[in-house]
Amino acid sequence: AQSVTQLDSQVPVFEEAPVELRCNYSSSVSVYLFWYVQYPNQGLQLLLKYLSGSTLVKGINGFEAEFNKSQTSFHLRKPSVHISDTAEYFCAVSDVEDFNKFYFGSGTKLNVKP
Amino acid sequence: SAVISQKPSRDICQRGTSLTIQCQVDSQVTMMFWYRQQPGQSLTLIATANQGSEATYESGFVIDKFPISRPNLTFSTLTVSNMSPEDSSIYLCSAMGSSYNEQFFGPGTRLTVL
Repeated sequence: AQSVTQLDSQVPVFEEAPVELRCNYSSSVSVYLFWYVQYPNQGLQLLLKYLSGSTLVKGINGFEAEFNKSQTSFHLRKPSVHISDTAEYFCAVSDVEDFNKFYFGSGTKLNVKP
Repeated sequence: SAVISQKPSRDICQRGTSLTIQCQVDSQVTMMFWYRQQPGQSLTLIATANQGSEATYESGFVIDKFPISRPNLTFSTLTVSNMSPEDSSIYLCSAMGSSYNEQFFGPGTRLTVL
């Protein structure tokens, strides 16, 4: 089974500053990688996903993530955050051979301050 | 993409009672899942809801406590039985997209057990 580590439980950042949310996973087998966002009192919304091909993936709302196979990482970045980006972000992994099962990290709360 | 709705959105229940949560998808999907998100924690898969057969439960979850139905390709229910305060959580329904490599989530049901 996979384990997914999000090292930062909370990330405070000022508006218009860049941000990176870190995600590492345990297995070296072929994986699919995802970032989801959860706004207060809402369900999860897919931000972006890596399936294959280019290691730099662009998603909605100006977010992007880079898959690094050697470091088993999939860090999420945004060059300039907005107040509206305040939410909780979850990294998720599934094995290509067992793609039905998603493993989620513990989440990172992004708090964008004015 | 699939749009998923859940009912109820929230409920407060007494210890020892049961609550059934409904999940409706706006299109036919092959795979549906139920997750639990305990306060301040990540998502834990409860079970895969199989159409026409018994659900597949993850370790630590049993059918007597969390009976699941899936009568067709767009609908599923999760019952939380004989509730205790430890069952207070957000319960999320999800569905696998047609490309089999992403999951769409409902808005969740916030359950409080007194």
